Amino acid sequence: DGGITQSPKYLFRKEGQNVTLSCEQNLNHDAMYWYRQDPGQGLRLIYYSQIVNDFQKGDIAEGYSVSREKKESFPLTVTSAQKNPTAFYLCASSKGQALYSNQPQHFGDGTRLSIL
Amino acid sequence: AQSVTQLDSHVSVSEGTPVLLRCNYSSSYSPSLFWYVQHPNKGLQLLLKYTSAATLVKGINGFEAEFKKSETSFHLTKPSAHMSDAAEYFCVVSLYGNKLVFGAGTILRVKS
Repeated sequence: DGGITQSPKYLFRKEGQNVTLSCEQNLNHDAMYWYRQDPGQGLRLIYYSQIVNDFQKGDIAEGYSVSREKKESFPLTVTSAQKNPTAFYLCASSKGQALYSNQPQHFGDGTRLSIL
Repeated sequence: AQSVTQLDSHVSVSEGTPVLLRCNYSSSYSPSLFWYVQHPNKGLQLLLKYTSAATLVKGINGFEAEFKKSETSFHLTKPSAHMSDAAEYFCVVSLYGNKLVFGAGTILRVKS
């Protein structure tokens, strides 16, 4: 079955450490997204990528970095500059952009990041 | 600017009674709208989507939503709640480039 795989499910970060969250999709989707979810705030967009080797900042990109070297992979690095990283991180993908796109996004099961 | 407001942060219903989760949106053009459901520690699953075809949209698990342009609303309903419906529900509007704007979510509790 096609889908999105996020790993690990739980991750702990020490002070001053960078950590990388994995996101892989086998849906052959062009676009991929990273969201941060905090209780009572819905989802907020961190970064997104519409094609390989290209990505754009979302609403809360500070303290995060991404790469898109392959169509199926979009890893997110939480750097030490992100002072409040504790959250649930969700990766998503969609068939691609279009003006007023109506393509739904498909989500992975998330990674919960906590501070040690 | 586009935005989404979910009018209730928590809704509690008894099993077998109707469900109503309210959502208002603002958009400068005819939007695409979605409802997603999230069970604890899981990703989001698409329930249904509105894309300017029929205003009454049927989704999975017996849910449906009606797009009312005059009221800028897209409320989610289900005739009879089941225990398995207990989850958090998100109303979402799609922007140019397939960026999504999420409501803050409504937690649905189903009492036996």
